[in-house]
Amino acid sequence: AAGVIQSPRHLIKEKRETATLKCYPIPRHDTVYWYQQGPGQDPQFLISFYEKMQSDKGSIPDRFSAQQFSDYHSELNMSSLELGDSALYFCASSPRGRANNEQFFGPGTRLTVL
Amino acid sequence: QQQVKQSPQSLIVQKGGISIINCAYENTAFDYFPWYQQFPGKGPALLIAIRPDVSEKKEGRFTISFNKSAKQFSLHIMDSQPGDSATYFCAATRAGGTSYGKLTFGQGTILTVHP
Repeated sequence: AAGVIQSPRHLIKEKRETATLKCYPIPRHDTVYWYQQGPGQDPQFLISFYEKMQSDKGSIPDRFSAQQFSDYHSELNMSSLELGDSALYFCASSPRGRANNEQFFGPGTRLTVL
Repeated sequence: QQQVKQSPQSLIVQKGGISIINCAYENTAFDYFPWYQQFPGKGPALLIAIRPDVSEKKEGRFTISFNKSAKQFSLHIMDSQPGDSATYFCAATRAGGTSYGKLTFGQGTILTVHP
């Protein structure tokens, strides 16, 4: 079965640089969520999109922005990177029409800021 | 403030034993409670989930017990196997409103099953 695809899988950046993470949801899933997971931490919700519109926003820094495109893929743009941005970034997708709101996670992008 | 509290932080079980992980939540608006399994460097994988209108749900070796009045739920892994060794996260979310679908996770439990 098709799963959530994230790219790149690993990314190394210097402080103050920018990074773009991409997420391709499971086919026919119209909702995308972004989570950040620090070492030994639980995933923290950043932002979500439904039908290309932002549907909810969590603890996402102003330096980060995201959008969902017409083909439902999503991109998380991160600027002025800081050391503390080093983390695993997960994208999850769900078919919003389903009552149980099952979210399926991608393999993640490991971002390292030097 | 952690809205979903999970315990224990770590758990060691012998092969064939029962693993029990507990979670408690505060927000009574939560109405969907999934459990995720995560291996190092991988994304969380949905294991089993429950809604508050049932008190128990079983899928294979995994069972969720739910106590709505106490705002607690737990995961039981029967006949634990070394391959079950992973980090387990409970989570909660609610449908509708502006927070539709956002998962709030517990702190995680590192499960080690010894052969």
